[in-house]
Amino acid sequence: DADVTQTPRNRITKTGKRIMLECSQTKGHDRMYWYRQDPGLGLRLIYYSFDVKDINKGEISDGYSVSRQAQAKFSLSLESAIPNQTALYFCATSDNRDNLSDGYTFGSGTRLTVV
Amino acid sequence: AQKITQTQPGMFVQEKEAVTLDCTYDTSDPSYGLFWYKQPSSGEMIFLIYQGSYDQQNATEGRYSLNFQKARKSANLVISASQLGDSAMYFCAMRSNTGGFKTIFGAGTRLFVKA
Repeated sequence: DADVTQTPRNRITKTGKRIMLECSQTKGHDRMYWYRQDPGLGLRLIYYSFDVKDINKGEISDGYSVSRQAQAKFSLSLESAIPNQTALYFCATSDNRDNLSDGYTFGSGTRLTVV
Repeated sequence: AQKITQTQPGMFVQEKEAVTLDCTYDTSDPSYGLFWYKQPSSGEMIFLIYQGSYDQQNATEGRYSLNFQKARKSANLVISASQLGDSAMYFCAMRSNTGGFKTIFGAGTRLFVKA
């Protein structure tokens, strides 16, 4: 099994629908992140969590919410999807040490299309 | 504000030749880490190389090296002896203490390797 698993891998949904993207990890990391990738914009941070009781907004949190159900699980919800939320979404984890060299472990991504 | 700039949206290189992908960054934090990630067409994010701001030598990992010029705030990725499998999107990224140990990404450079 992958260290960081995202479900679903692909999803097409209609405008106005609520959708949840799920992320689970077996790394034992405390820190988890949700990013979205858009062409020409790179990856932008939506939300992040440094432990189960800690949730923080990133640079583009409007229209999104998250839930940290357990150390291993971090879900991203779009309450009412809109077409400009069409993007590739990544979940990532990192160690809880404040160590600059600790890179991310990424999930495989969820390609979301809102029609 | 912290920022990563990748000015080359697309690059072409002939197979077996070397190529440099540019990255400049902006931070006021004296302590930071720089990363390069590769994203093949399959979509996953692959860690390539890391450089710490206090590292005296440029980082190398196989055919990848990082040309770190601290005064210029640049962290260019050099790929030697390009292979067809190097065709991918490449992201430069930075992590710092004042950034809360979150990682910010550049817009990416798409590399095309020609046979």
